[in-house]
Amino acid sequence: SQQGEEDPQALSIQEGENATMNCSYKTSINNLQWYRQNSGRGLVHLILIRSNEREKHSGRLRVTLDTSKKSSSLLITASRAADTASYFCATDALNTGGFKTIFGAGTRLFVKA
Amino acid sequence: NAGVTQTPKFQVLKTGQSMTLQCAQDMNHEYMSWYRQDPGMGLRLIHYSVGAGITDQGEVPNGYNVSRSTTEDFPLRLLSAAPSQTSVYFCASSFTGAGGWEQYFGPGTRLTVT
Repeated sequence: SQQGEEDPQALSIQEGENATMNCSYKTSINNLQWYRQNSGRGLVHLILIRSNEREKHSGRLRVTLDTSKKSSSLLITASRAADTASYFCATDALNTGGFKTIFGAGTRLFVKA
Repeated sequence: NAGVTQTPKFQVLKTGQSMTLQCAQDMNHEYMSWYRQDPGMGLRLIHYSVGAGITDQGEVPNGYNVSRSTTEDFPLRLLSAAPSQTSVYFCASSFTGAGGWEQYFGPGTRLTVT
């Protein structure tokens, strides 16, 4: 079974609105990462948050991590049509040495112009 | 830098055939991995390598072999293709253990087994 699960599975918003995606995981982790995948392409790394961090920003992205609830959220502010993509969280469990990153099923975001 | 390259981009196999998916990176990364992505699902780890001569199994290793003779290359071999192996395959690399570093992904190989 997969470590990370994203919610919602799909999200449709208007350009300029904010998009929030959530990720829950099952076991204690070292780090959590978010990736973006445009249709038919490989994944692109967005941001990494370590287990001792609670919040991280990168441009229009804000990621939070709550290790007590085993959950993370990705907020994209002022969304653009170019943000249309699938977004995945990825975790590595504490006992895997960082070598076995597990991906969730992803959230498909559609931003309408 | 070319980053992570994969060949071929598309491949159709008949059940029982074997083939090798190629992956190469020019970033001198120690860690390389292979994933498969099925419709509506995230990526599942097949095999990974932490350096030349060192490989290990991921979540779904059955039916696949890997080897790592050089830092740059990490081929994935399908021994006897089955329709259940129809998927998109991604190769990725990173400096060290993938959990602590961002992974760089190739463009993928779309494989169909009939």
